[in-house]
Amino acid sequence: AQSVTQPDIHITVSEGASLELRCNYSYGATPYLFWYVQSPGQGLQLLLKYFSGDTLVQGIKGFEAEFKRSQSSFNLRKPSVHWSDAAEYFCAVGALGNNDMRFGAGTRLTVKP
Amino acid sequence: KAGVTQTPRYLIKTRGQQVTLSCSPISGHRSVSWYQQTPGQGLQFLFEYFSETQRNKGNFPGRFSGRQFSNSRSEMNVSTLELGDSALYLCASSLGKASGTEAFFGQGTRLTVV
Repeated sequence: AQSVTQPDIHITVSEGASLELRCNYSYGATPYLFWYVQSPGQGLQLLLKYFSGDTLVQGIKGFEAEFKRSQSSFNLRKPSVHWSDAAEYFCAVGALGNNDMRFGAGTRLTVKP
Repeated sequence: KAGVTQTPRYLIKTRGQQVTLSCSPISGHRSVSWYQQTPGQGLQFLFEYFSETQRNKGNFPGRFSGRQFSNSRSEMNVSTLELGDSALYLCASSLGKASGTEAFFGQGTRLTVV
């Protein structure tokens, strides 16, 4: 069965500092991996996705993620965090062609001035 | 291109009642999925519809049902509401093709059961 673990429930970083959010997945076949961001009371916005090919994927808002099959990880990174990045971040694993995604519990990001 | 539209945005219902939520996908998208989001359980997959057929189903009781119309719009129904059904219900649409597509989410319907 597919599952996702986000080990960090809450992370606080200073504005301008670098960020790495961890995601580990369990999936029997080639995983299709996603990072979404959610602001309070809002839906989810896709930051980036990995289907195949280059293991380093670039997303919107300056985010990137690296797929590491050997570690079953898909960590999200940003070199310099902005106050507007404060939100909840979800990693998800899915299958081709459908929306039956499994989400991690989320990591809440707080940005200190 | 308009995004995924969910109506209503907010609902308050009484325990025992039933409720219907609506989702209009992005034009051209044939797959619609529903998710329940609660503080305790996080984001949980309810079901997915593709071309008016339920293609996948999560682990929810039969009180939760859905359907999809020929224009790909989808409705979700919850009968005999319980307090624990209070949640943000999110709808996501995608092309649904096997070539690999991403899901776009609506802003959700906040259901409160009192």
